[in-house]
Amino acid sequence: AQKITQTQPGMFVQEKEAVTLDCTYDTSDPSYGLFWYKQPSSGEMIFLIYQGSYDQQNATEGRYSLNFQKARKSANLVISASQLGDSAMYFCAMREGDSGNTPLVFGKGTRLSVIA
Amino acid sequence: AAGVIQSPRHLIKEKRETATLKCYPIPRHDTVYWYQQGPGQDPQFLISFYEKMQSDKGSIPDRFSAQQFSDYHSELNMSSLELGDSALYFCASSLGLSWGYQETQYFGPGTRLLVL
Repeated sequence: AQKITQTQPGMFVQEKEAVTLDCTYDTSDPSYGLFWYKQPSSGEMIFLIYQGSYDQQNATEGRYSLNFQKARKSANLVISASQLGDSAMYFCAMREGDSGNTPLVFGKGTRLSVIA
Repeated sequence: AAGVIQSPRHLIKEKRETATLKCYPIPRHDTVYWYQQGPGQDPQFLISFYEKMQSDKGSIPDRFSAQQFSDYHSELNMSSLELGDSALYFCASSLGLSWGYQETQYFGPGTRLLVL
């Protein structure tokens, strides 16, 4: 079974609008971390935001926020006021277990296109 | 802020040749991870090292080996290269025993390997 599911292969959003990228995860471990990364066409993998399984509040980083619904096992990324530079592939990833240095498992990604 | 450094950035090899990829983690980071990302795919975990010892092993072919040196840099050695090894190879680093936000894995720019 997929550990991380991103159901939207591609998304379009108008510049300055907000957009939500979906991510659901599957784990029986009570301790885990959830991450979002951005991969522009140039190829680098840029860290955006982190949410820990025990965090009480949703994470926010500038224009990025994470809508964390633990009971539903979802960790959706919300990008507010989209910019043309936000056009990229977005990956949701998870780290399981108590150890902070276990490998990440990635979803298949969502390609976001921002339209002027 | 210092980032993860990878060299070379691009590499072209013939089938059955060998290749060595190098990774220099962020200063003070003691854990290094290697990921392989095929065209149009999500990154797949290969292997990781914590304090110079192998920490986790993923889908790394037997033809590949890796190590972490005393200065924490890591090298991925790839032998008997096949066409299917053409991919983007990422190195990431983190603070191994951290938890929460501090556990975030930061990725290098990647080495793009093309096997002809």
